[in-house]
Amino acid sequence: DVKVTQSSRYLVKRTGEKVFLECVQDMDHENMFWYRQDPGLGLRLIYFSYDVKMKEKGDIPEGYSVSREKKERFSLILESASTNQTSMYLCASRGRTNSPLHFGNGTRLTVT
Amino acid sequence: EDQVTQSPEALRLQEGESSSLNCSYTVSGLRGLFWYRQDPGKGPEFLFTLYSAGEEKEKERLKATLTKKESFLHITAPKPEDSATYLCAVPPSGGSYIPTFGRGTSLIVHP
Repeated sequence: DVKVTQSSRYLVKRTGEKVFLECVQDMDHENMFWYRQDPGLGLRLIYFSYDVKMKEKGDIPEGYSVSREKKERFSLILESASTNQTSMYLCASRGRTNSPLHFGNGTRLTVT
Repeated sequence: EDQVTQSPEALRLQEGESSSLNCSYTVSGLRGLFWYRQDPGKGPEFLFTLYSAGEEKEKERLKATLTKKESFLHITAPKPEDSATYLCAVPPSGGSYIPTFGRGTSLIVHP
């Protein structure tokens, strides 16, 4: 079974802090994704990576950056956290392009 | 641009009351369709892939079917533990890497 592990289930940070969300997958998948999920808005793509050191912006990249130095790890960075970044953050990975995404259990981030 | 629409947004059932969730899609060419289950506070869990019209997949009380325009997730004699949000998605098309997700149906099964 594919395992996608997000480093934290819950995080509470203060406005202006730099926040790192880590994600690791164990299936040698090339593609990895970061989404945020808010009530009524569904899944919104922040960034994705199709290979090591390669990244593409999704629909809502503002205020975020990513890092993929190793194939198994994809990090989401909030450069200066703001209250409107309070959300559930979901990491996912995928093998072939037509394969389903496999998600981690999410990180519930609260910015106060 | 691919589009996926799920209905209803929310569904309340009594235990044992069978029903269906709908996922309609508009894509340039059918390449498959995915169903996920998401429990509150957790990430979506992959359930099924359907690749061609007429295909069916089953898991316990769930059966997913696919036509050329839509997919149904039939829930037979549901139990409270089937309460969750169910998401459907289609794979990317036209050189894109990005799948298209519906917004989900929130199912609550009352005992």
